[in-house]
Amino acid sequence: DIQMTQSPSTLSASVGDRVTITCRASQSIGSWLAWYQRKPGGAPKVLIHKATTLATGVPSRFSGSASGTEFTLTISSLQSDDLAEYFCQQYNNFPITFGQGTRLELK
Amino acid sequence: QVQLQESGPGLVKPSETLSLTCTVAGGSISATTYYWGWIRQSPGKGLEWIGSINHSGNTYYNPSLKSRGIISVDTSKSQFSLKLTSVTAADTAVYSCVNIFGVTNFIPVWGKGTTVVVSS
Repeated sequence: DIQMTQSPSTLSASVGDRVTITCRASQSIGSWLAWYQRKPGGAPKVLIHKATTLATGVPSRFSGSASGTEFTLTISSLQSDDLAEYFCQQYNNFPITFGQGTRLELK
Repeated sequence: QVQLQESGPGLVKPSETLSLTCTVAGGSISATTYYWGWIRQSPGKGLEWIGSINHSGNTYYNPSLKSRGIISVDTSKSQFSLKLTSVTAADTAVYSCVNIFGVTNFIPVWGKGTTVVVSS
């Protein structure tokens, strides 16, 4: 299985900060990576798919980038509504696999 | 917009079978473009894909389950189900049902998840 190594596991930031979360795949997955946001008690919501494509209705402050096997989710200006858990998922190989998640907290 | 809701017992005894149901609303469970699946997250661990089923009834399972998983669809009730046999404490997790456009694809719709504890 492809291992997805996500970092950091916890991130403390202030409203207005630029925030970056990284996922590294254990082998090439092309651009077949998605990012999700999950708020306490809620269902995960897809933010980005195919590494850089913003899902419908997702604010433009979210963006994704890729370089080889390293993928990045960036929030350009953190809003209080963005405090949540974020995780990545590769879907190039069977079975699909996930990163361990990043908890984004208010500093 | 498809919505999913999991239901089932929150406590299962070791060696018994875990049974969960997912009710689909807002979309056809028979749609040819959809796959329906299950994902779980054990305490302190990452998410693990369990398996998926398509409109033809073809099923796909994570090899890590060692053939303990069974996913089925009941189109008359707009539901799909997961059975996991011979459970142990390691199967304690939050189980989520999902809608996915293929066996390997991103997941546009998730249920909120239901907690299942395996304990005597």
